[in-house]
Amino acid sequence: GAVVSQHPSRVICKSGTSVKIECRSLDFQATTMFWYRQFPKKSLMLMATSNEGSKATYEQGVEKDKFLINHASLTLSTLTVTSAHPEDSSFYICSAREFRDGWQETQYFGPGTRLLVL
Amino acid sequence: LAKTTQPISMDSYEGQEVNITCSHNNIATNDYITWYQQFPSQGPRFIIQGYKTKVTNEVASLFIPADRKSSTLSLPRVSLSDTAVYYCLVGLMDSSYKLIFGSGTRLLVRP
Repeated sequence: GAVVSQHPSRVICKSGTSVKIECRSLDFQATTMFWYRQFPKKSLMLMATSNEGSKATYEQGVEKDKFLINHASLTLSTLTVTSAHPEDSSFYICSAREFRDGWQETQYFGPGTRLLVL
Repeated sequence: LAKTTQPISMDSYEGQEVNITCSHNNIATNDYITWYQQFPSQGPRFIIQGYKTKVTNEVASLFIPADRKSSTLSLPRVSLSDTAVYYCLVGLMDSSYKLIFGSGTRLLVRP
C-alpha cells in the first residue's frame, strides 16, 4: 500500500510554545489529507480536512486558530499546535487519500506523532 | 455518513480463524467499506476494502452480503501479532469523503 510519513514521531514542549507536525505522502500525490487525534484507549477523532491550495475544513469543536493546518503541496500537510497547553497532549495522526483506477480511493495513515506538553 | 457497530472485544487463540462482523444499516449507495488495524501508539494500517460481494487479499477476506448492511472481516489462522484494534469504516466515493471512526473491536489472540 501507499506510504504516509509523519515527523516528528514524538515531541515534548513547554506550555505556551508552538509545535509543527509534518505529514507527507511518499509515493503518491494527495489533494486531501486528514488530521486526527487520539487519546489513550480511545478511538480516532477527526479534527480537520486539509485540502491542497485551499483552507482546511475543521470539525465542530476544533479551534482553527489553535490548530493551524497548511497544505502547500500535493505531498505535504502540516499541523501547527499554537500556544500548546498540557491538555493538547495527545497522539496526532494524519492520513492521505489516494485515488486508484480513476475512482477507487483509500486513506492511508501516518505512524502518528506523540505530543507531550509540560 | 453511515455509522458502524462492531463488537467491543473478541478473544481467540493462535491458529484459529477470526471473523469480525460490522453492522452499517444506513450505508448509502456510494459508500464503500474499509477495514483498518491499529496497534498501540501506531497509526491505523489498511487491511482491506470492498464495495460488494467478496474481496480477498494476502492478509484477509471481506464478505459483504447483497444488502450491504453488514460486512465481515475474516482473518485466517491468527497469530499473537494480530492482537490489535480493528476498525470498520464506511466512506463516500466523492469529494466529501471523510472517515469517521467508531469504537473498533479489540481482538486478543491467546497462545
